Amino acid sequence: GAGVSQTPSNKVTEKGKYVELRCDPISGHTALYWYRQSLGQGPEFLIYFQGTGAADDSGLPNDRFFAVRPEGSVSTLKIQRTERGDSAVYLCASSPQPGQGTNTEAFFGQGTRLTVV
Amino acid sequence: AQSVTQLDSQVPVFEEAPVELRCNYSSSVSVYLFWYVQYPNQGLQLLLKYLSGSTLVESINGFEAEFNKSQTSFHLRKPSVHISDTAEYFCAVSALRSGNTPLVFGKGTRLSVIA
Repeated sequence: GAGVSQTPSNKVTEKGKYVELRCDPISGHTALYWYRQSLGQGPEFLIYFQGTGAADDSGLPNDRFFAVRPEGSVSTLKIQRTERGDSAVYLCASSPQPGQGTNTEAFFGQGTRLTVV
Repeated sequence: AQSVTQLDSQVPVFEEAPVELRCNYSSSVSVYLFWYVQYPNQGLQLLLKYLSGSTLVESINGFEAEFNKSQTSFHLRKPSVHISDTAEYFCAVSALRSGNTPLVFGKGTRLSVIA
């Protein structure tokens, strides 16, 4: 596709339920990031994939959160036993492989608004 | 670790007036610097970035930002704002090293341009 696609755009779930959020990055982008944006805050890093492997998962808040990217393209963020505090906009971004000694722009999707009631 | 402070959560300004959105950062390593913009009901878009070279960087829509290493700042400026500049602006940094690194964002500044 032309940009990073995230589905669903909105998700309402009951406390204690399991949810999956999907991210379809720009074709060919090797890096994929998940961020969480709570109301009135900037995006907060959760996890970063380079290819299929999680290069950095230091931002995951606890073991209820897990993400996969089995074929190095689409990624799924999984949240178990959801809590009201998990309500936020979950953003996905992707980047192409940078050249030596450089960084590249991250392209963001529109996000999934998760509401836990 | 890095952190970013955006000193103003909201900035109202009249159309055609100048504006400055402030950003300061803290880091134990050298960083790349970014400004992202989020227009109403849209995703985050890169506005401009500093990777190396000239400390003054410009965007295509008239914004500019200057990297000041001694003051650890990367303030965003525009000499004359338009109604269409109304949006949320996020300053971000990432650690300077080979390969992609995650962004650390500030809390954002909501710019409201008044006619």
